[in-house]
Amino acid sequence: GESVGLHLPTLSVQEGDNSIINCAYSNSASDYFIWYKQESGKGPQFIIDIRSNMDKRQGQRVTVLLNKTVKHLSLQIAATQPGDSAVYFCAALTWNAGNMLTFGGGTRLMVKP
Amino acid sequence: EAQVTQNPRYLITVTGKKLTVTCSQNMNHEYMSWYRQDPGLGLRQIYYSMNVEVTDKGDVPEGYKVSRKEKRNFPLILESPSPNQTSLYFCASSPYLSNTGELFFGEGSRLTVL
Repeated sequence: GESVGLHLPTLSVQEGDNSIINCAYSNSASDYFIWYKQESGKGPQFIIDIRSNMDKRQGQRVTVLLNKTVKHLSLQIAATQPGDSAVYFCAALTWNAGNMLTFGGGTRLMVKP
Repeated sequence: EAQVTQNPRYLITVTGKKLTVTCSQNMNHEYMSWYRQDPGLGLRQIYYSMNVEVTDKGDVPEGYKVSRKEKRNFPLILESPSPNQTSLYFCASSPYLSNTGELFFGEGSRLTVL
């Protein structure tokens, strides 16, 4: 079955620097990839998604890159701010698997002032 | 305000005592789902529902039941809770998951089974 993993459990960055959070996936048939942010004591919150036929998508201060050749996904956060401190999850959506959304284990981003 | 509401937010119970965690969304979403979150394991799907009266098992359905009699409600039932069901539970909804993976999550329900 699908497995979605994250390369690092914790990432510490200086405020103002750019952050890059990585994710690997196993199912090449996944149709969508999504990034979620979870702040302490709250439910995950959608950040950005990318369809499998794209390789880059940009949002406000965030960019998601998809490399299907090596089954790798990354989230880049520009000018990281203290409010970006959270756990970030990548997830893969596969339509022919009953629209199952499989989440990775999470990376904790810590922003140092 | 558009939201997914779960109750209770915190619960301590004992093995074997049936409990229900309620989930309600006010966004008229077709898709609803339950996840459990455990350290090191991320979010794992328990059950999901594509619409009223349509439910399907996720990755870890054992020990759980759900129902979808109304569009807005999707309760999670633990008929005979066991300590391995101690976890943080999230309900989520979406207008149509087939298009994107954007889910709207509740605030979570932390369950402890003694």
